[in-house]
Amino acid sequence: AQSVTQPDIHITVSEGASLELRCNYSYGATPYLFWYVQSPGQGLQLLLKYFSGDTLVQGIKGFEAEFKRSQSSFNLRKPSVHWSDAAEYFCAVGAEWGGGNKLTFGTGTQLKVEL
Amino acid sequence: GAGVSQSPSNKVTEKGKDVELRCDPISGHTALYWYRQRLGQGLEFLIYFQGNSAPDKSGLPSDRFSAERTGESVSTLTIQRTQQEDSAVYLCASSTDRPPQHFGDGTRLSIL
Repeated sequence: AQSVTQPDIHITVSEGASLELRCNYSYGATPYLFWYVQSPGQGLQLLLKYFSGDTLVQGIKGFEAEFKRSQSSFNLRKPSVHWSDAAEYFCAVGAEWGGGNKLTFGTGTQLKVEL
Repeated sequence: GAGVSQSPSNKVTEKGKDVELRCDPISGHTALYWYRQRLGQGLEFLIYFQGNSAPDKSGLPSDRFSAERTGESVSTLTIQRTQQEDSAVYLCASSTDRPPQHFGDGTRLSIL
């Protein structure tokens, strides 16, 4: 069965500092991988996705993520964090196309940004 | 509409009552998903619709939970005889034949 681990429950960074949120997945084949962000009281907004091809993917709001098959990881990065980035971040893995592509989510990382 | 719309945004009900949650997907999206998010946890998959059929309902936690969808349009998730452990945010997502999924803002359900 597929699974996602986000080892960091809470992370605090200073505004302007760099950010890396960790995500490890377990999946039997090439996964579809996603990062979503959730602000309080809101739904999930897609930051970026990986299906195949270039392992470094760019997303919205200046985020990027790198797929590393050998490490089963898909870490999210941002070079310079803004106070508005404070939110909860979820990594997710999707089933192969044809299987309905339901998503399995990690438990999330809560990001706090210090001014 | 422009995005996935869910109603109500908040629902408070007494234990034992039935509740209906509604999801209006993005126009043209054939796939629709329901997820549950308990406090401080990630999202749990509940059910997936392709059109009005549900090929995967493996995540429904008990027979008190059911869902239906009219064509490629609105879906309702019904919880009968609610229990306190049903308190959560229920999120709906839709997509075309291919990912990604686009999420609504959810319904926050509180069982007293």
